[in-house]
Amino acid sequence: QSVLTQPPSVSAAPGQKVTISCSGSSSNSGENYVSWYQLLPGTAPKLLIYDNNKRPSGISDRFSGSKSGTSATLGITGLQTGDEADYYCGTWDNSLSTGVFGGGTKVTVL
Amino acid sequence: QLQLQESGPGLVKPSESLSLTCTVSGGVISRSSFYWAWIRQSPGTGLEWIGNIHYSGTTYYSPSLKSRVTISVDILRDQFSLKLRSVTAADAGMYYCARQSMTFRPDWLDPWGQGSLVIVSA
Repeated sequence: QSVLTQPPSVSAAPGQKVTISCSGSSSNSGENYVSWYQLLPGTAPKLLIYDNNKRPSGISDRFSGSKSGTSATLGITGLQTGDEADYYCGTWDNSLSTGVFGGGTKVTVL
Repeated sequence: QLQLQESGPGLVKPSESLSLTCTVSGGVISRSSFYWAWIRQSPGTGLEWIGNIHYSGTTYYSPSLKSRVTISVDILRDQFSLKLRSVTAADAGMYYCARQSMTFRPDWLDPWGQGSLVIVSA
């Protein structure tokens, strides 16, 4: 059971928008920055969002992040078939003294 | 462009030690305030942070693995390594290395290596 809670899957048609939630607690996402990662089989995981809402250089502006309280959200607009992947949120947990991740969300483009 | 690549045996016997090395290219491991981390993903489960190391040798470990893990660094070779002792089937999975930002505490991970698959079997 993951410390951060994500929906197992989300789906939408090409061109549409999906949002992925990441729910934690005061000891992790409530206190620390949240980052988001894209995992595609056979490729290196990719950082999409860091410090809750910042995009690294080279990441499309179709990806966005936000945080309110203990919950963070990843948004993907203009959904493309290449966006089909698993997405994970991550942060630090002050009580557990370890990095923690969500259970991952599989994005399907219908 | 900074790149990381994991290497090591893909098959480990139960009760033995798992050893992996991450080679950093396109940058120097010691010329940085970043930390260097290991993360794993077991079959059917999510990501698990194992620990990290600074080139000075300072380490942070996951409490759940701390008794079995050692992370070390070789600044001359721009490599850092993971050793996990007394492995069981639960330690099988994909092992990733990554550069980790450290502000007040471990933060985002970027870039990552492609991963090294570890099977635990006699």
